[in-house]
Amino acid sequence: AQSVTQLDSQVPVFEEAPVELRCNYSSSVSVYLFWYVQYPNQGLQLLLKYLSGSTLVESINGFEAEFNKSQTSFHLRKPSVHISDTAEYFCAESLPVGGGFKTIFGAGTRLFVKA
Amino acid sequence: EAGVTQFPSHSVIEKGQTVTLRCDPISGHDNLYWYRRVMGKEIKFLLHFVKESKQDESGMPNNRFLAERTGGTYSTLKVQPAELEDSGVYFCASSQWGSGPSEQYFGPGTRLTVT
Repeated sequence: AQSVTQLDSQVPVFEEAPVELRCNYSSSVSVYLFWYVQYPNQGLQLLLKYLSGSTLVESINGFEAEFNKSQTSFHLRKPSVHISDTAEYFCAESLPVGGGFKTIFGAGTRLFVKA
Repeated sequence: EAGVTQFPSHSVIEKGQTVTLRCDPISGHDNLYWYRRVMGKEIKFLLHFVKESKQDESGMPNNRFLAERTGGTYSTLKVQPAELEDSGVYFCASSQWGSGPSEQYFGPGTRLTVT
């Protein structure tokens, strides 16, 4: 069965420090990978995605993730975090199913940004 | 255009009672998905509707859970009778038939607490 592993359940970091949230996916023929973010008391929001093409994908708020096929990884990085980045981050993989796609999520990583 | 909406946002019930969660997908979206996150674990796929038909219900935990989508518009997820382990956040998502893997939109979730 397909699975997504997030290696860290919680990551505390100081403001303006770099951060990496790790994610490994199970190998598949077609790989569609995502990072979702859930801010406190809000729903899931798509942060960035890899469907094909360039292995480095970026979000509008400074996050980036790199698809690494040989290591089956899709780690999320940001060179300098802000307090407002405090949230829970979910790595996910989409699998085709009957005209649509179902999403397989990792367990989530809580990012705490401290002043 | 309105996004995916879910009602209620929170529900607290006693063990043995019945609860019905509702999801209104984005208008025109034939695909509708239910997911669940129990405390501290990953968000797990429950089932997938295409219009009013259940395409994949492999993630439904047991027969206390009943999902319906009469008329192919909104969907309900009934838990009867509720047990303590049913507590968690229930997410709904929708997408257009034949759309790509990144075109799945999530609702804000319903937080269910069974006491």
